[in-house]
Amino acid sequence: GQQVMQIPQYQHVQEGEDFTTYCNSSTTLSNIQWYKQRPGGHPVFLIQLVKSGEVKKQKRLTFQFGEAKKNSSLHITATQTTDVGTYFCAGFTGFQKLVFGTGTRLLVSP
Amino acid sequence: DSGVTQTPKHLITATGQRVTLRCSPRSGDLSVYWYQQSLDQGLQFLIHYYNGEERAKGNILERFSAQQFPDLHSELNLSSLELGDSALYFCASSSGGGSNQPQHFGDGTRLSIL
Repeated sequence: GQQVMQIPQYQHVQEGEDFTTYCNSSTTLSNIQWYKQRPGGHPVFLIQLVKSGEVKKQKRLTFQFGEAKKNSSLHITATQTTDVGTYFCAGFTGFQKLVFGTGTRLLVSP
Repeated sequence: DSGVTQTPKHLITATGQRVTLRCSPRSGDLSVYWYQQSLDQGLQFLIHYYNGEERAKGNILERFSAQQFPDLHSELNLSSLELGDSALYFCASSSGGGSNQPQHFGDGTRLSIL
């Protein structure tokens, strides 16, 4: 079946360092969504990308959708302790199923 | 607060038993999705209902079933429970049935099988 892998699985950074997580799908996606799950919390929607090559920014977060619509990335500039959590990408296939990536757990030390 | 309500928050039961998890979507949302999250695992899509009808099925076991009622709340029934069914079960809702809708998650039901 379709798989959506994320790398790295885990990253520990010092506050102020940058962070990037990459999302790769085995199949072409109609669109991709990103979610953040704080420890002990539920996933919270961050953003959706639809167009090939699309780039969107939210303050210190930059999201990109690949040209082939099979990969995506999330880059956080100058991390803060509030960025701690697990970041999931989620892609829609043509069968109306949202497939979540394996997630990247981010730990930020002050 | 996402507006999605899940009950109960915690459930402890034994192998072989049957439980029902309940979800009330955000006001106005017609779609309900169910996900399973095992310890340190990602989110596994189980099933999607839109306005009372099943829209898509994921990796849902035959021992599991779900439905969405006319008032749009949904229930996930898990039967013949096994130790491996211990997990956090999330419900999410969205306004439409299409793929371009953000999903809003509830706080989840933590199921522990002893």
